[in-house]
Amino acid sequence: EAQVTQNPRYLITVTGKKLTVTCSQNMNHEYMSWYRQDPGLGLRQIYYSMNVEVTDKGDVPEGYKVSRKEKRNFPLILESPSPNQTSLYFCASSLSVGANNSPLHFGNGTRLTVT
Amino acid sequence: AQKVTQAQTEISVVEKEDVTLDCVYETRDTTYYLFWYKQPPSGELVFLIRRNSFDEQNEISGRYSWNFQKSTSSFNFTITASQVVDSAVYFCALKGSTGGFKTIFGAGTRLFVKA
Repeated sequence: EAQVTQNPRYLITVTGKKLTVTCSQNMNHEYMSWYRQDPGLGLRQIYYSMNVEVTDKGDVPEGYKVSRKEKRNFPLILESPSPNQTSLYFCASSLSVGANNSPLHFGNGTRLTVT
Repeated sequence: AQKVTQAQTEISVVEKEDVTLDCVYETRDTTYYLFWYKQPPSGELVFLIRRNSFDEQNEISGRYSWNFQKSTSSFNFTITASQVVDSAVYFCALKGSTGGFKTIFGAGTRLFVKA
């Protein structure tokens, strides 16, 4: 089944404790991205990647890191989480990069709470 | 800068009523792409429809219809004869043809359909 898989679904952690949220897609998509969803703000892009070893900042990159060592994986790293990073996170992928109408395919989300 | 505005934060209707969700966008790109996504109470994000800027034809899919008007920069979504299963948060999104081709989202409209 074609899908984007992110783990874990739920995560509660404490301020400063490094964590990684994994994301993997099995559709051979070139483009991958991370979003955070907060009430009243919709989804805001954190980072995106157009291909292996090519990543760039989105609109809210502070406090996050990503890597794209393989086409299928795009982990999100919080080196020192803070309470303002408590949010619902979505990984997404789409077929091709560039000016086209490929929609985003989303993972099921990771609800992160930082205390 | 690109922007998507969904002015309706929450809408509540009774089953079988028609309801229109508004979406207004801003972009300087001459080519761009518009999308609607649905987020049911279970939390996943599901792609509903896409529209290219050069294709102003409206679309109907069952009880769903979309009205794209370039002159008013709007891409509205109408549900005819709403059902309880339509209860969800609906996001309008815009993807440009420049600046990393990222997809930006509106804040979402939460639709409650009461039996």
